[in-house]
Amino acid sequence: GENVEQHPSTLSVQEGDSAVIKCTYSDSASNYFPWYKQELGKRPQLIIDIRSNVGEKKDQRIAVTLNKTAKHFSLHITETQPEDSAVYFCAAAAGGTSYGKLTFGQGTILTVHP
Amino acid sequence: DTEVTQTPKHLVMGMTNKKSLKCEQHMGHRAMYWYKQKAKKPPELMFVYSYEKLSINESVPSRFSPECPNSSLLNLHLHALQPEDSALYLCASSQTVLRGNQPQHFGDGTRLSIL
Repeated sequence: GENVEQHPSTLSVQEGDSAVIKCTYSDSASNYFPWYKQELGKRPQLIIDIRSNVGEKKDQRIAVTLNKTAKHFSLHITETQPEDSAVYFCAAAAGGTSYGKLTFGQGTILTVHP
Repeated sequence: DTEVTQTPKHLVMGMTNKKSLKCEQHMGHRAMYWYKQKAKKPPELMFVYSYEKLSINESVPSRFSPECPNSSLLNLHLHALQPEDSALYLCASSQTVLRGNQPQHFGDGTRLSIL
């Protein structure tokens, strides 16, 4: 089955700095890669996703890049703010009979210091 | 403004009890999911329903029994649970799984404690 590794497990930055979280996946059939933000005691919230036919996607301060050859994808947050502090999970899903089957990375605790 | 609603928010039950978790969405989504999340861990997929039919069961023990009575509702029936089943149970929905992977939207979860 799919295996997703996520690094780093914790990330501490100063407000205004950039933050980068990296994930690698094992199943070359994976074609959908969402990122979720989960604040303490709250639900995972989809913040951005990318499909395998796209190399990069941006939404304001957030961007995701995908390298299918190397089987890794990254989340980039620019101009970080204290409210960006949360746990971030990457995930991967394949096609066919595995549609909908998200496999998550272990998570990154991001702390943004004012 | 959560569009996936889960009840109850908290549940404490003994190992011999029978209880049910409920999930409801009114976004017209035809795929619904149950996940289990332990503290400081990622969500783990349990079940996927597509058009009210079970399409994926991730080898979940039979003490967890899912049910999808209609396109808006998803239940998880619990019976004879073990202390290690204590966790946050998350429901999610997406438009469909028949035309590729679609964004999944999560509810706030039910925090379950087994005594």
